[in-house]
Amino acid sequence: EPEVTQTPSHQVTQMGQEVILRCVPISNHLYFYWYRQILGQKVEFLVSFYNNEISEKSEIFDDQFSVERPDGSNFTLKIRSTKLEDSAMYFCASSSFYNEQFFGPGTRLTVL
Amino acid sequence: SQQGEEDPQALSIQEGENATMNCSYKTSINNLQWYRQNSGRGLVHLILIRSNEREKHSGRLRVTLDTSKKSSSLLITASRAADTASYFCATLTQGGSEKLVFGKGMKLTVNP
Repeated sequence: EPEVTQTPSHQVTQMGQEVILRCVPISNHLYFYWYRQILGQKVEFLVSFYNNEISEKSEIFDDQFSVERPDGSNFTLKIRSTKLEDSAMYFCASSSFYNEQFFGPGTRLTVL
Repeated sequence: SQQGEEDPQALSIQEGENATMNCSYKTSINNLQWYRQNSGRGLVHLILIRSNEREKHSGRLRVTLDTSKKSSSLLITASRAADTASYFCATLTQGGSEKLVFGKGMKLTVNP
């Protein structure tokens, strides 16, 4: 069964450093998403991506964040200058139009 | 309550019993999706119910949706210890938004 994959599973970085989180969505899906979950809190939407551009973003997704689909399979989230409060589990998801969103296993980001 | 609010927040039952979780939301929705999350792990998609559907089954899962009351319930029948996890409802708002809005989740413990 196709699944969303994410790498790395755990990323530790120093405050102020740039990180890139990687995702491979399900191959025939057209919509891609990033969500995050701070420990013990709700899953929060960050951004959706369709047809090679951002289709929707939340207030959390400020200028420090960017997304890219560099090739036909990968979907990345870049945080330019990490802050302590960026520590969270980051989930990638993909879907076809208005259907189930399938999530990857997540990347646990720890900012020191 | 906030969009996608589960009730109860924690439930402990014996193996073999049924577990019912409720979710309330505020806005008009396109669909509602239920997810399971084992501790510190990824989100597993369980079932999607659309706004024009009232009930849906998948294996031991039964989901109902009452759009007049803006509520949904997830029933797990004949529970197993492996069903121990957190369960989340997530809504896709009507009107073109692609973001899922998650509730805080409900912790289900199934005792062997």
